[in-house]
Amino acid sequence: QVQLVQSGPEVKKPGASLQVSCKASGYTFTRHAISWVRQAPGQGLEWMGRISAYNGNTNYIHAQKFQGRVSMTTDTSTSTAFMELRSLRSDDTAVYYCARGSYDFTPWGQGTLVIVSS
Amino acid sequence: QSVLTQPPSVSAAPGQRVTISCSGTSSNIGNNFVSWYQQFPGAAPKLLIYDNDKRPSEIPDRFSGSKSGTSATLGITGLQTGDEADYYCGTWDSSLSAGVFGGGTKLTVL
Repeated sequence: QVQLVQSGPEVKKPGASLQVSCKASGYTFTRHAISWVRQAPGQGLEWMGRISAYNGNTNYIHAQKFQGRVSMTTDTSTSTAFMELRSLRSDDTAVYYCARGSYDFTPWGQGTLVIVSS
Repeated sequence: QSVLTQPPSVSAAPGQRVTISCSGTSSNIGNNFVSWYQQFPGAAPKLLIYDNDKRPSEIPDRFSGSKSGTSATLGITGLQTGDEADYYCGTWDSSLSAGVFGGGTKLTVL
């Protein structure tokens, strides 16, 4: 079955960088984009961006709070997508999800809890 | 502040029907497909509806979606206690060149 498995929980200090991985299985990886969505504690879903697994083209959220801090890549040899977030702040504390798709998302990874705290 | 507007909560009795609204603009709902997601506490969201009104094969027909102008609606019939969850609408925003979600609606089955 189609499945996305993410890397484990992380605790980071403010200013550090984060990389979350998302390994896909059960389908041809290069035929679908991978999108990244995060959810702060008790809050709603926030789209962060997407990457074409076919050609690596990306679209990132343009919000001021993310400016220049996020990047997404893929490794087609291992069917894995990566999301990097730099210069972490306390308000980056959230569960980070990867999901297959460009405009609607299915399935989703199990989520990666990231806590940013000094 | 979410780009799409949903009611924070809705409630209904078991067996009844409930609708959840999602309001947007011509930049998002008005000119793009809408999807709906169900999320239980501590779990990842799950796709319920895509392309405004289509259901993945594993989703029961108790769930339906519709769109009119710049608003979309999720309908759930034959409510069950197991339907208690948070529901999110989502779409693409052509002006922002970004995916956008509603703030989520908590469904309580009384």
